[in-house]
Amino acid sequence: SAVISQKPSRDICQRGTSLTIQCQVDSQVTMMFWYRQQPGQSLTLIATANQGSEATYESGFVIDKFPISRPNLTFSTLTVSNMSPEDSSIYLCSVGGGINYGYTFGSGTRLTVV
Amino acid sequence: AQSVSQHNHHVILSEAASLELGCNYSYGGTVNLFWYVQYPGQHLQLLLKYFSGDPLVKGIKGFEAEFIKSKFSFNLRKPSVQWSDTAEYFCAAAVREIIFGKGTRLHILP
Repeated sequence: SAVISQKPSRDICQRGTSLTIQCQVDSQVTMMFWYRQQPGQSLTLIATANQGSEATYESGFVIDKFPISRPNLTFSTLTVSNMSPEDSSIYLCSVGGGINYGYTFGSGTRLTVV
Repeated sequence: AQSVSQHNHHVILSEAASLELGCNYSYGGTVNLFWYVQYPGQHLQLLLKYFSGDPLVKGIKGFEAEFIKSKFSFNLRKPSVQWSDTAEYFCAAAVREIIFGKGTRLHILP
């Protein structure tokens, strides 16, 4: 299965600033996804990162707040913009998908907004 | 759109008790099913997965799950739990993206 390098692993940020999280995969993958895990909650899908086109966002998530780039089949970034304390969460990227394919998760970025 | 529901939010058991955590999914077509575990302060860890074939799937740490297509269920079981099984357990279903249930917090009393 693919190996994912996600960074930073954690950060403490001031409200109103932005943070960009990087996800690097050791092989080309078709599907890349971004998730959020708020404290004490399950994982919620933010968006699917599409190579060469705009990301597909889930209900409740918008591009202005969570812009995503996917310049090639091994790399993606998620930016958390204009942060507020409510954005404090763990953000994870995932690769895989499709019938009979497994999923791999990055180790996550623990974001605290103060 | 697919969705996953887990029946219990919080389960408390004594050591050596048997465990069954319920999970139902809603999707009419072929779907991949997973159980993940998250120990306190740790990352997600895959317990087991079902893609096709034998509906009784064995995973790590003595866990197993049974896929019952007619019931859209994928319940997790363990015959005898240990204190170290204290964790949060997530059922998930995937067609393209993987969707998680809200999780079941399991607390094992020593």
